[in-house]
Amino acid sequence: AQKITQTQPGMFVQEKEAVTLDCTYDTSDQSYGLFWYKQPSSGEMIFLIYQGSYDEQNATEGRYSLNFQKARKSANLVISASQLGDSAMYFCAPPNYGGATNKLIFGTGTLLAVQP
Amino acid sequence: NAGVTQTPKFQVLKTGQSMTLQCAQDMNHNSMYWYRQDPGMGLRLIYYSASEGTTDKGEVPNGYNVSRLNKREFSLRLESAAPSQTSVYFCASSVGSANTEAFFGQGTRLTVV
Repeated sequence: AQKITQTQPGMFVQEKEAVTLDCTYDTSDQSYGLFWYKQPSSGEMIFLIYQGSYDEQNATEGRYSLNFQKARKSANLVISASQLGDSAMYFCAPPNYGGATNKLIFGTGTLLAVQP
Repeated sequence: NAGVTQTPKFQVLKTGQSMTLQCAQDMNHNSMYWYRQDPGMGLRLIYYSASEGTTDKGEVPNGYNVSRLNKREFSLRLESAAPSQTSVYFCASSVGSANTEAFFGQGTRLTVV
């Protein structure tokens, strides 16, 4: 069965340091992708970044980048130069869970706390 | 610039009452979703509609029904509310291609007493 795994329930990082949040998608699909979303304490869901398994280069959006390891089926989110406003829940999600078109299932999330 | 609009924002129900959560998007998106998020937990998919005219079960469909009324609107109905359905409910929509993100509403906080 397909499974989305975020192994870090909670993490601390010092302001201005980089942090890596893990996400693994156990799938038999040859072609897949992973979204990352941020949910601050205010509750809204904010899209951060996406990468597909056939993208040749790791995706980058400002301070966010993905460390996509196809063999491990993981797409870890790297946040560089952490800011206090990065404190939030972070969720990953494949766009077509289990091969079902547009079925969007989220991992359990990682709570990131940025310390001054 | 509305995006995804959910109504109501807050609701209190008594056990056994019914209600419908409304969701509308103005982005001409094909796919729409309903999630619930319990305190301190992640989002769990209740139902989704990959395209107008189709609906499918998600992870936690029991106790809910949905209607894709048209391309814009996707409603979630609780026929007989239970305290276990106390949660924050999010509606989302997406274009429906694999590499385009979903956009979320602001959520509905539902309490069943």
